[in-house]
Amino acid sequence: GIQVEQSPPDLILQEGANSTLRCNFSDSVNNLQWFHQNPWGQLINLFYIPSGTKQNGRLSATTVATERYSLLYISSSQTTDSGVYFCAVEYMDSNYQLIWGAGTKLIIKP
Amino acid sequence: DSGVTQTPKHLITATGQRVTLRCSPRSGDLSVYWYQQSLDQGLQFLIHYYNGEERAKGNILERFSAQQFPDLHSELNLSSLELGDSALYFCASSERLTEAFFGQGTRLTVV
Repeated sequence: GIQVEQSPPDLILQEGANSTLRCNFSDSVNNLQWFHQNPWGQLINLFYIPSGTKQNGRLSATTVATERYSLLYISSSQTTDSGVYFCAVEYMDSNYQLIWGAGTKLIIKP
Repeated sequence: DSGVTQTPKHLITATGQRVTLRCSPRSGDLSVYWYQQSLDQGLQFLIHYYNGEERAKGNILERFSAQQFPDLHSELNLSSLELGDSALYFCASSERLTEAFFGQGTRLTVV
């Protein structure tokens, strides 16, 4: 099956810093989503981005499907950005289920 | 608000018991997925229903079962509970081949 690898596993930054989170996948995908899981466990949709670039406020994401990776950019970090960021993909043989990376745990210090 | 509603939010029960988790998908979504997230882990796919029919099974234990009703809400039944079943259980809904939206999850604690 497909492998989804996220890096770095942990990231500690000061408020105001910028960061780049990476998601590598080992096969072609039909769907790629980025999620933020906040400290209360809630999963928040960030981007649905099987290819191309999208921006939403301080966050943006780019997926290069031909090279099998996606990047999530967070600019001017705020303490509320803390939590775990997951990349999840759906591919042809996955029966529409999402295959999840292990996540990047982000801590933003005030 | 994702539009996906899960109840209850928290559940504490004893080993050996049976519980039912409920999920109402977003309006118009025919697909419902159940995922399990154990402590500090990624999400593991359990089962997928589409318009009332089971479409795919993941790593779902035989003690667990699910169904999707004609009004498209879904229930996940967990029986003979063990301590290791303690986890966050998420429901997600989507149109086919598009973005999945997740409920707030049910935090199950088995004591």
